[in-house]
Amino acid sequence: NAGVTQTPKFRVLKTGQSMTLLCAQDMNHEYMYWYRQDPGMGLRLIHYSVGEGTTAKGEVPDGYNVSRLKKQNFLLGLESAAPSQTSVYFCATAWGRGQPQHFGDGTRLSIL
Amino acid sequence: GQQVMQIPQYQHVQEGEDFTTYCNSSTTLSNIQWYKQRPGGHPVFLIQLVKSGEVKKQKRLTFQFGEAKKNSSLHITATQTTDVGTYFCAERGGGSNYKLTFGKGTLLTVNP
Repeated sequence: NAGVTQTPKFRVLKTGQSMTLLCAQDMNHEYMYWYRQDPGMGLRLIHYSVGEGTTAKGEVPDGYNVSRLKKQNFLLGLESAAPSQTSVYFCATAWGRGQPQHFGDGTRLSIL
Repeated sequence: GQQVMQIPQYQHVQEGEDFTTYCNSSTTLSNIQWYKQRPGGHPVFLIQLVKSGEVKKQKRLTFQFGEAKKNSSLHITATQTTDVGTYFCAERGGGSNYKLTFGKGTLLTVNP
């Protein structure tokens, strides 16, 4: 999936630690999204961006922060990780409003 | 926000049997998108339906959008083991909505 690259792919954290997940895209898409996926819960939107320098809250934003300083990158930060944030995190991009989304391979994050 | 309900949550079939998953909403949808996620993989866009009563086909997959634009279905004819995965519908909502709201998905397993 060369279009959307997520790093890292796996990570284990201790409660209270901080980390940043990086999403990089080479498709020149305006819109970028961060989701978390938990068993039986589907995909839930954390934060999204409609363009460089903009961010907005999604369905489950608490405990996360984001930044979109460059059009191609969308960063998701956990300031003080909690076990409830153990999940698979997906980044997605879209060229236009409500258009089909292209997903990265995901980051599997475990918080002990 | 709008919600889409997907049924069934799980479906197990014998290879060669047909499979259908349904996506329902209490409100009129702007459009509906379908995604497939293989086990351990990321969601991949399949199709977008926009028009009332629209029917689209991709080989053995048939997608329908209800006349009232409140429901949609995905039907797979003669399932194969390669069809295994979770199928999600997602709706954009209307107006200036930049987001997609995903259903919780239907997990399809196929017994060879």
